[in-house]
Amino acid sequence: KNQVEQSPQSLIILEGKNCTLQCNYTVSPFSNLRWYKQDTGRGPVSLTIMTFSENTKSNGRYTATLDADTKQSSLHITASQLSDSASYICVVSKANDYKLSFGAGTTVTVRA
Amino acid sequence: NAGVTQTPKFRILKIGQSMTLQCTQDMNHNYMYWYRQDPGMGLKLIYYSVGAGITDKGEVPNGYNVSRSTTEDFPLRLELAAPSQTSVYFCASSPSTGPYEQYFGPGTRLTVT
Repeated sequence: KNQVEQSPQSLIILEGKNCTLQCNYTVSPFSNLRWYKQDTGRGPVSLTIMTFSENTKSNGRYTATLDADTKQSSLHITASQLSDSASYICVVSKANDYKLSFGAGTTVTVRA
Repeated sequence: NAGVTQTPKFRILKIGQSMTLQCTQDMNHNYMYWYRQDPGMGLKLIYYSVGAGITDKGEVPNGYNVSRSTTEDFPLRLELAAPSQTSVYFCASSPSTGPYEQYFGPGTRLTVT
């Protein structure tokens, strides 16, 4: 069973609207959680990284939250743009480990 | 600043053929990684390296080999291609200190028929 589960698998939103993506993980002991954006045909690019002591972090219109007690994270996209169409991947790392556990990603499609 | 580069971008192989996927990084990172990404699945670690001359298996190493003769280069070798190796392959690199932020290349899309 994957240690990082994301939902929904995909979603479609209208330009200018907001959306929230979910990530649940079982990785333990926890070190940090990252959100990556992967455009079609490209490699993933880091959006945010949070340690267990951080419960929110923003990068422009992207805001990530983390609840280390319930092992849940969310990524909120505000005022979506066409360029936000991509796959968003939740990634978790163990303490003292450089290897990562990847979620399957949520595919976001923004329509005009 | 090129970051992580991969060649080729696309390749079609026949069953049983061999090929090498090239990966180069110019960030002087000690750690490098090879992943495969299949539809609907998270990235799976194939092999990784913590420095020149040091490599180790990841989650899905069968059918692949790697070498690391320099800090910059980390090629991935497929010896006897099988349809199950049809996938998108990503190379990444990271510093050797936490939080080990990984930087990914653009990927190689491989089809084995």
